Amino acid sequence: EAGVVQSPRYKIIEKKQPVAFWCNPISGHNTLYWYRQNLGQGPELLIRYENEEAVDDSQLPKDRFSAERLKGVDSTLKIQPAELGDSAVYLCASSSDNEQYFGPGTRLTVT
Amino acid sequence: QKEVEQDPGPLSVPEGAIVSLNCTYSNSAFQYFMWYRQYSRKGPELLMYTYSSGNKEDGRFTAQVDKSSKYISLFIRDSQPSDSATYLCAMSAGGYNKLIFGAGTRLAVHP
Repeated sequence: EAGVVQSPRYKIIEKKQPVAFWCNPISGHNTLYWYRQNLGQGPELLIRYENEEAVDDSQLPKDRFSAERLKGVDSTLKIQPAELGDSAVYLCASSSDNEQYFGPGTRLTVT
Repeated sequence: QKEVEQDPGPLSVPEGAIVSLNCTYSNSAFQYFMWYRQYSRKGPELLMYTYSSGNKEDGRFTAQVDKSSKYISLFIRDSQPSDSATYLCAMSAGGYNKLIFGAGTRLAVHP
């Protein structure tokens, strides 16, 4: 069974530029999560989807971050414009019951 | 004060040692407790989970929850170099969807 796929794995951009991350969850998993993990910290939830619906986006900085999950499968997380403080690893996870399966993450560096 | 506190380490032990990893928390509503292992450049993977108080054992790993003290532990017996990773505790008040992670403890097991 293929795991959670994320791309790109690494991204370096200048501040004020836009950036997008893509996630393909495990087949059949209805719940999809986006987390941000700062260096030396644990993951922090940004948004959770149940199928196409964002059911928890309370921690998503909506002034610059947006996300979508079309057709309840793949998801895209976008930042526009990026700030220096957005440098982090962005993790996608999916679940069908009690266990969240994480992808390898996208490491974003904003210069 | 963070809801979940975890000593970041690093913790360095010789092969074969017993390792003790700990987290404290402040939210008495937490009922679900998990330990994740995260290798460098990888996403976290679930090691163990427990509901409410008590102990749970799985091979060389034992998880303990003491809700009266708001303290959880993970013990690793006969530690191996392959156990070298960051160990993240995570907990939730309502199900497995809203996890609050600790900062993670870096463990190095040397031959």
